[in-house]
Amino acid sequence: DTGVSQDPRHKITKRGQNVTFRCDPISEHNRLYWYRQTLGQGPEFLTYFQNEAQLEKSRLLSDRFSAERPKGSFSTLEIQRTEQGDSAMYLCASSSTGGYTFGSGTRLTVV
Amino acid sequence: AQSVTQLGSHVSVSEGALVLLRCNYSSSVPPYLFWYVQYPNQGLQLLLKYTTGATLVKGINGFEAEFKKSETSFHLTKPSAHMSDAAEYFCAVSEIAGGTSYGKLTFGQGTILTVHP
Repeated sequence: DTGVSQDPRHKITKRGQNVTFRCDPISEHNRLYWYRQTLGQGPEFLTYFQNEAQLEKSRLLSDRFSAERPKGSFSTLEIQRTEQGDSAMYLCASSSTGGYTFGSGTRLTVV
Repeated sequence: AQSVTQLGSHVSVSEGALVLLRCNYSSSVPPYLFWYVQYPNQGLQLLLKYTTGATLVKGINGFEAEFKKSETSFHLTKPSAHMSDAAEYFCAVSEIAGGTSYGKLTFGQGTILTVHP
């Protein structure tokens, strides 16, 4: 078990472009979460999946954000028409009854 | 709704001194409580967690925390600070998700720990 993997580690994009991040959870974990962390703040919940079902979305998740978890395995988070305010660390986590594990995150910089 | 307050955004100690990072929470149901550490440009590493049972929880790297329900607190301590402890620390509370899994986490604002030689 290699833990929770996130790709890419870093992404620099121009304002207005679309970006997509990928998260591979621990294989036996049925829940997958996305968080956003801006500089000097704690992580904030964005959305989570139980298997392939997206069960909750934060009000922070504007219409430009969409997340999927096809087949209940990996997940993608897409941001359309990026804005400078989207610059942040995007963290993925997965959980089961035994634990809650975070990935190393994707650092997004919008220029 | 749950919330977490970490008292002190910056704490500075000398190497070998006691570390005390404060965390108070608000939750309408019995909470699960966590402390995470984050090094620059890295993800979150779990230090320790409280779910049920013994209220004094021991974690990695010599850290421990005590759940005090009457004070709604979960302060993190370490008897003797090491230079390698310098990092940002986050307290978090989780709802219990149907008794089968952890739910989403609500984090505090974080406390940056500086350790002086």
